[in-house]
Amino acid sequence: EAQVTQNPRYLITVTGKKLTVTCSQNMNHEYMSWYRQDPGLGLRQIYYSMNVEVTDKGDVPEGYKVSRKEKRNFPLILESPSPNQTSLYFCASRVRGQGNYEQYFGPGTRLTVT
Amino acid sequence: AQKVTQAQTEISVVEKEDVTLDCVYETRDTTYYLFWYKQPPSGELVFLIRRNSFDEQNEISGRYSWNFQKSTSSFNFTITASQVVDSAVYFCALSEAGLYNQGGKLIFGQGTELSVKP
Repeated sequence: EAQVTQNPRYLITVTGKKLTVTCSQNMNHEYMSWYRQDPGLGLRQIYYSMNVEVTDKGDVPEGYKVSRKEKRNFPLILESPSPNQTSLYFCASRVRGQGNYEQYFGPGTRLTVT
Repeated sequence: AQKVTQAQTEISVVEKEDVTLDCVYETRDTTYYLFWYKQPPSGELVFLIRRNSFDEQNEISGRYSWNFQKSTSSFNFTITASQVVDSAVYFCALSEAGLYNQGGKLIFGQGTELSVKP
C-alpha cells in the first residue's frame, strides 16, 4: 500500500530538548516536504527536498533542520524546540515535475513543547 | 504573490442542508492546480479533488461538487444533503507549475470548519 508514515504521532517535550520526527514514503517519490498546521493559518511549508541531498527552505524554516540521505526518508529535526513550535506537523511526498500530481500526506505528528 | 483565502472560518448547518465552502485564490502563474482536502477530527488530511487551471469544467462526485471559475479566481465546494460525517475542517490549496515551485509546494487557505448537526 502506497503510504507516507510519520513517527511519533504524538510527542510532548520540553524546551531545548532536541527531537527528530521521522518521515518515510514507499512510493519512490523524489519530492518531499514538511508542513506545519496552526489554527487560522492553514498549513505552511517548512522545508522541502527535490531529491537525495537536495533540500531547501520553505516558508517557515526557522528553528528546523532536515536531511535527505536516502530517497525514502526525510526527517525533521528540532535542535532546540521552543513553545512556538507546538503544532501539528505533516510530511508529504509526490513525484517530481511540474504537472498535476497528487501530494501524499502522512498521518501527522502532534507536537507540544512546554 | 500566491495566496488562498477561505473567508468562512466556521459554518454550522443542520443535517440534509446544502452547504457551500468558498475558496478564492491569487496567482500570477497561468498554469496552476487547485485542491480540496478534508481533515476529520482524527486529524489526517484526506484528498478530495484536484483541478488544473485549463480545466474549468465543474465536477460532481456523489454529494460533492466543485465549481471552478477562473474569471473570479474561485474554486468553491458544495456538499449536497450534508451528513454528520461531513463535519470536518476543509482546506483549499493551490500549487503552481512554475520551475521553482518549491517541490510542488501547496499553498493552503486558513481552513473552514464545518459542523453538521443532526
